Amino acid sequence: DVKVTQSSRYLVKRTGEKVFLECVQDMDHENMFWYRQDPGLGLRLIYFSYDVKMKEKGDIPEGYSVSREKKERFSLILESASTNQTSMYLCASRPLAGNYNEQFFGPGTRLTVL
Amino acid sequence: QKEVEQNSGPLSVPEGAIASLNCTYSDRVSQSFFWYRQYSGKSPELIMSIYSNGDKEDGRFTAQLNKASQYVSLLIRDSQPSDSATYLCAVNDQAGTALIFGKGTTLSVSS
Repeated sequence: DVKVTQSSRYLVKRTGEKVFLECVQDMDHENMFWYRQDPGLGLRLIYFSYDVKMKEKGDIPEGYSVSREKKERFSLILESASTNQTSMYLCASRPLAGNYNEQFFGPGTRLTVL
Repeated sequence: QKEVEQNSGPLSVPEGAIASLNCTYSDRVSQSFFWYRQYSGKSPELIMSIYSNGDKEDGRFTAQLNKASQYVSLLIRDSQPSDSATYLCAVNDQAGTALIFGKGTTLSVSS
């Protein structure tokens, strides 16, 4: 079974802190994604990566950065956390080949910024 | 801007009834379509995928695709209280890399 894991289920940080959210997948998938999910706004893509050291901005990259040094690991970084970044963060991975491949999600990290 | 539209609901059906969830998409070149189920506080899990016009059945679930109308639907037969969740429609983007998600329809099945 494909497994996508995220470093924390719940995280509480203070405004201005630097926050790292880690995601690891064990199926050698090329594509990895970071989304945030908020009530009424649905899933919004922050960043994605299609290969090691490659990254592309999604719909809402402002205030975030990412790092992909190894194929299995994709990190989301909040350089200076703000209260409007309180949200559920979901990591996902997907094989590269073809349009028909399933995207697998991790369990999510609920981040609260005080 | 590519869009995927869903009625937010809530859609309420009695146990044993058929639940019908609908989704429209804006990008005519989209090739693959997915339905995810998300329980409250959990992450989305794939329940159906469909790529060709017509119907695709898997147990109590049937996905229907009409590319000419840019419409995809999910039917849940013999609905159970355990089907109560938010259902997300997702469409492949033109590059084939990322999925574009609708905001989801909340389904409530009453016993």
